[in-house]
Amino acid sequence: DTEVTQTPKHLVMGMTNKKSLKCEQHMGHRAMYWYKQKAKKPPELMFVYSYEKLSINESVPSRFSPECPNSSLLNLHLHALQPEDSALYLCASSQGRAGILTDTQYFGPGTRLTVL
Amino acid sequence: AQTVTQSQPEMSVQEAETVTLSCTYDTSENNYYLFWYKQPPSRQMILVIRQEAYKQQNATENRFSVNFQKAAKSFSLKISDSQLGDTAMYFCAFITSGTYKYIFGTGTRLKVLA
Repeated sequence: DTEVTQTPKHLVMGMTNKKSLKCEQHMGHRAMYWYKQKAKKPPELMFVYSYEKLSINESVPSRFSPECPNSSLLNLHLHALQPEDSALYLCASSQGRAGILTDTQYFGPGTRLTVL
Repeated sequence: AQTVTQSQPEMSVQEAETVTLSCTYDTSENNYYLFWYKQPPSRQMILVIRQEAYKQQNATENRFSVNFQKAAKSFSLKISDSQLGDTAMYFCAFITSGTYKYIFGTGTRLKVLA
């Protein structure tokens, strides 16, 4: 089973709203990732968690706040977003054993976010 | 700088025909992994095939195969017996051993015609 699930599928929010994106995997993976993808572009890495600890933050604005409550779950909290933050947000996971992050990443279906 | 180039923004192929998508990359590292991902209109990025740079044998997954030329830094994807469900954006990517970040190409949009 190589399934990563994401909820919600679609989200529309105003610039003053607070919302959260959720990602879950039950493959026993220890590395999880958030990506942002604009239309017709490749995904851009935002955050990497390894063993539930934030390993990498690719200089993402603080209006995006990741959280990893346990090894299966990854959240992305959104606050005071801008219209240019509208995009597809993809979650991915990889085995990440011994902190190795070069193994294959498996992606979820994404959340389509629209900021009004 | 490490880069991935996909020189074909769009391609089309007739159903049941064979098509090859090109990918070249640039790295000074010796240990790395290469991937082809498919992203249909449904949006999910699906792993198509993976190749370890230290393996000389080209990877194959059913109708999908790669032509890996390490010296030329080329990693093309061949799709045989194309099916309508192969219509998607295809991204080539690589990651260097010891790093955390995929380097993606800009993608090739493939349309399979009935």
